Amino acid sequence: DAGVIQSPRHEVTEMGQEVTLRCKPISGHNSLFWYRQTMMRGLELLIYFNNNVPIDDSGMPEDRFSAKMPNASFSTLKIQPSEPRDSAVYFCASSPILLANTEAFFGQGTRLTVV
Amino acid sequence: GNSVTQMEGPVTLSEEAFLTINCTYTATGYPSLFWYVQYPGEGLQLLLKATKADDKGSNKGFEATYRKETTSFHLEKGSVQVSDSAVYFCALGFFSGSARQLTFGSGTQLTVLP
Repeated sequence: DAGVIQSPRHEVTEMGQEVTLRCKPISGHNSLFWYRQTMMRGLELLIYFNNNVPIDDSGMPEDRFSAKMPNASFSTLKIQPSEPRDSAVYFCASSPILLANTEAFFGQGTRLTVV
Repeated sequence: GNSVTQMEGPVTLSEEAFLTINCTYTATGYPSLFWYVQYPGEGLQLLLKATKADDKGSNKGFEATYRKETTSFHLEKGSVQVSDSAVYFCALGFFSGSARQLTFGSGTQLTVLP
């Protein structure tokens, strides 16, 4: 398996523009997570899906952020409008089963820079 | 609530030195515990895990024991290599309502010098 695939790997955009990050989870995994990593705040959970349904989006910072999972093999995280403080590395992770003792498998991340 | 407190870095060691990175947790119920490693420019990879008290996780010479009495999961390696230079994250897996969550510590940067 190719693992969790994220695109793009790097994104540079101007403040105010819409940004869409993409994730393809590992086939057969039914849980999907979006994380944001910054130097100041470390690794933060933004939202979590189970069987394509958002379960917990309490980590989504504000209404400018939205996430969708239209099917089991694809998810998006959208920021509109983007702001410089959104600059971070965004990770997608998937997990095969809804158990606390099962690890999550991470993609390589999208480094977002908003100028 | 559930949380993870991890030893602050950065940590710099010479090759073949002994490594300990401390991790303590606060949790209700019986969480699972993980150590993840992040190499430069990459995502997090699972290094080892333990799912119940007194379990020892081990991989690539690294070890950690789930200590319920001290709520700790310290990472150790007897002889580090330059290739071990990375950021190490302690994490806690648990359920919150209907949501399965994985809460991470702040990460510890390890640099191993030749």
